[in-house]
Amino acid sequence: DAKTTQPTSMDCAEGRAANLPCNHSTISGNEYVYWYRQIHSQGPQYIIHGLKNNETNEMASLIITEDRKSSTLILPHATLRDTAVYYCIVDAWAGSYQLTFGKGTKLSVIP
Amino acid sequence: DTGVSQDPRHKITKRGQNVTFRCDPISEHNRLYWYRQTLGQGPEFLTYFQNEAQLEKSRLLSDRFSAERPKGSFSTLEIQRTEQGDSAMYLCASSSRDSSTDTQYFGPGTRLTVL
Repeated sequence: DAKTTQPTSMDCAEGRAANLPCNHSTISGNEYVYWYRQIHSQGPQYIIHGLKNNETNEMASLIITEDRKSSTLILPHATLRDTAVYYCIVDAWAGSYQLTFGKGTKLSVIP
Repeated sequence: DTGVSQDPRHKITKRGQNVTFRCDPISEHNRLYWYRQTLGQGPEFLTYFQNEAQLEKSRLLSDRFSAERPKGSFSTLEIQRTEQGDSAMYLCASSSRDSSTDTQYFGPGTRLTVL
């Protein structure tokens, strides 16, 4: 079973910030939080990951709460091309290298 | 910057036939993964290679499935005696052992339809 909980779907107006939440209350101290997205009929695309500090790259920002039980992916200026399913994954690092995907959040960016 | 490539992108076959898919990872990556994704679901792990060694297999990988990575570079996934339930997107990913966090990068996938 996935170790994360995400809303099934969200809408965001084009040009606005999209804030995608994820709960991972059972995360272990050495587990990372990864975010991927999947645009229809394509392979998942890596976005960002973090351990406990907030992270930013050219695609997004990742905010992790101090207790590490939840995180938020922020797309600062959403475009129509950001419409996708977004997956929050806790890295099953210890003894296994598989990524366990849940059903993710379907983000629809609306003109 | 060459990413993960997969071939073919689409495959339609009749039930009972054998199919083989190929994955070419990012050149410096020594870890390679196969996942399967059915409609409306997230990808599910199938198997994992480190160099040429197959180190982990999911219970989803039935006896009809076999994966190889003979020289630690490209990999093949073969499905024998295909069934309609094998219809899915087959995804390949690769990562580098040298990376502290082992980020996996995915290919575009091979969509299999079994008639």
